[in-house]
Amino acid sequence: GDSVTQTEGPVTVSESESLIINCTYSATSIAYPNLFWYVRYPGEGLQLLLKVITAGQKGSSRGFEATYNKETTSFHLQKASVQESDSAVYYCALVRNNNNAPRFGAGTKLSVKP
Amino acid sequence: NSKVIQTPRYLVKGQGQKAKMRCIPEKGHPVVFWYQQNKNNEFKFLINFQNQEVLQQIDMTEKRFSAECPSNSPCSLEIQSSEAGDSALYLCASSPDRGVYEQYFGPGTRLTVL
Repeated sequence: GDSVTQTEGPVTVSESESLIINCTYSATSIAYPNLFWYVRYPGEGLQLLLKVITAGQKGSSRGFEATYNKETTSFHLQKASVQESDSAVYYCALVRNNNNAPRFGAGTKLSVKP
Repeated sequence: NSKVIQTPRYLVKGQGQKAKMRCIPEKGHPVVFWYQQNKNNEFKFLINFQNQEVLQQIDMTEKRFSAECPSNSPCSLEIQSSEAGDSALYLCASSPDRGVYEQYFGPGTRLTVL
């Protein structure tokens, strides 16, 4: 079945540094999946950060970006300059339209030092 | 912010007891998902519904777990005979459409099986 692998945490960066959290997925079906990044801030529930449903396109939100690369089956999350408020756990996820059981990565805990 | 409501927030049961949790999806969201998140933050998809119809479920769900989403009532997930390994955070999510499957999560029910 499908699987999602992402950067193993915890990851610690300093404020204003750049960030990349890697995410790759298995390609077990011809159908391209929909790809998502979710985030859980401390004390809050899991929420959608961004999504891309078309291969080759880029999604962005709150300064984060991720590009859907079907050649490398990747969907890395990037931010040019992180803030302390970005400290959270980030999850990469995929859903295929012909198999609607979503798959989540194990999560990457990010800590941003002031 | 998500408007998915889950009750109770915490549930403590003895082994062999039934454990039941409920979820009210966001208004207008026809698709509901249930997940089990373990202490390692790993997500396990359990079952999903569109309105009252089961779309997909895993084997575990078929054996000891039961779930339903009746019309005009909360969705529910019930474990018929709880085991220690069922201790986890149970997350409910709803989605506004079948196709993209972006999900909006509730706060979860933390089940502890003694």
